[in-house]
Amino acid sequence: ETGVTQSPTHLIKTRGQQVTLRCSSQSGHNTVSWYQQALGQGPQFIFQYYREEENGRGNFPPRFSGLQFPNYSSELNVNALELDDSALYLCASSSPAGGGETQYFGPGTRLLVL
Amino acid sequence: EDKVVQSPLSLVVHEGDTVTLNCSYEVTNFRSLLWYKQEKKAPTFLFMLTSSGIEKKSGRLSSILDKKELFSILNITATQTGDSAIYLCAAKMDSNYQLIWGAGTKLIIKP
Repeated sequence: ETGVTQSPTHLIKTRGQQVTLRCSSQSGHNTVSWYQQALGQGPQFIFQYYREEENGRGNFPPRFSGLQFPNYSSELNVNALELDDSALYLCASSSPAGGGETQYFGPGTRLLVL
Repeated sequence: EDKVVQSPLSLVVHEGDTVTLNCSYEVTNFRSLLWYKQEKKAPTFLFMLTSSGIEKKSGRLSSILDKKELFSILNITATQTGDSAIYLCAAKMDSNYQLIWGAGTKLIIKP
């Protein structure tokens, strides 16, 4: 059973650029959630995808968008990057079986916006 | 507004000490409370609590939920330097799969 993987591990961008982050869910999981974690804070929910459809969204602007593919892997896209977008981006996969509470996290992508 | 508050924000103790980390929540249609340990990047799952008063235990770690007073505690006994990490709690609502996270408690264990 493979765990959650994310790529890239680190990324440096400049203000105004666009970025795509990738996540492969754990085998058997069809739900992927994305979180932004700023330094010293808990994760903030961005959105969740279930069977290729957005299944809920946190308080993030539309320039944060996502996709889920038929194999349940997912992408997070951020347009018009701002300095405050610098953070650790985590994805977590889960399965609706048993309520889907337990989310398994990938190692994250650390994004630095200069 | 749904929120989860953890205390203390940071804690420094010596190896062998026992620590208690607190998590209080105000969440609409509460379903469960989860604890995670975050060392470098990925939070790793520790416990999920759904019922009041039933202690969950894993080695030196234990946790309990009080749904009347809306809080949970995580206890670590005989702490070791490897317990140094950020401990996060999160509340799940019944309506969807979103987790509401606390800011975490940064625990440092000194040898």
